[in-house]
Amino acid sequence: EPEVTQTPSHQVTQMGQEVILRCVPISNHLYFYWYRQILGQKVEFLVSFYNNEISEKSEIFDDQFSVERPDGSNFTLKIRSTKLEDSAMYFCASSERRGRLTEAFFGQGTRLTVV
Amino acid sequence: AQTVTQSQPEMSVQEAETVTLSCTYDTSESNYYLFWYKQPPSRQMILVIRQEAYKQQNATENRFSVNFQKAAKSFSLKISDSQLGDTAMYFCAFMKPKGGLNRDDKIIFGKGTRLHILP
Repeated sequence: EPEVTQTPSHQVTQMGQEVILRCVPISNHLYFYWYRQILGQKVEFLVSFYNNEISEKSEIFDDQFSVERPDGSNFTLKIRSTKLEDSAMYFCASSERRGRLTEAFFGQGTRLTVV
Repeated sequence: AQTVTQSQPEMSVQEAETVTLSCTYDTSESNYYLFWYKQPPSRQMILVIRQEAYKQQNATENRFSVNFQKAAKSFSLKISDSQLGDTAMYFCAFMKPKGGLNRDDKIIFGKGTRLHILP
């Protein structure tokens, strides 16, 4: 069964450092998303991406965040200068093309710890 | 704006019992999708069941079923014959269908209900 794959599963970084979280969406999917979940809190939308551009972003997704699909398979989330409050579980998701919806398939998440 | 409310932060039931998790939502849309996601201790997000708002029939997936009340904007999840492996955080979620001018395709999650299945 196709699945969304995220790497690494856990990343520890120092405050102020840049991190890149990687995702390989399901191959025929065209819509991509990043969500995050601070420990014990709700899952929050960060950004959606379609046709090589951001479709929508939340207030959380400020200038420190960026997304990219560099090679047609990977979908990355970059945090330029991490803050302690960026510590969270980050989920990548993808869904099928327009008109066939369904659901978003989630990856297993990357736990980001900023120290 | 759409909102999703789960009023039960935590629940516990004995193994083999039936449990119902509540969810209400608010939207002005007539067509949309509703989901229940399960998040076990591994923290992965797993789709349990989905419901399309234009379908009157309640969705069912094995031991999982929903009670979808569109007029009341209610979408509860029933787990029958609960098993220890059902212990997890359960999120109710809402999504508008993509298409046309609608570029707002994010999923909106409730705060979750932590379910404990007791042996």
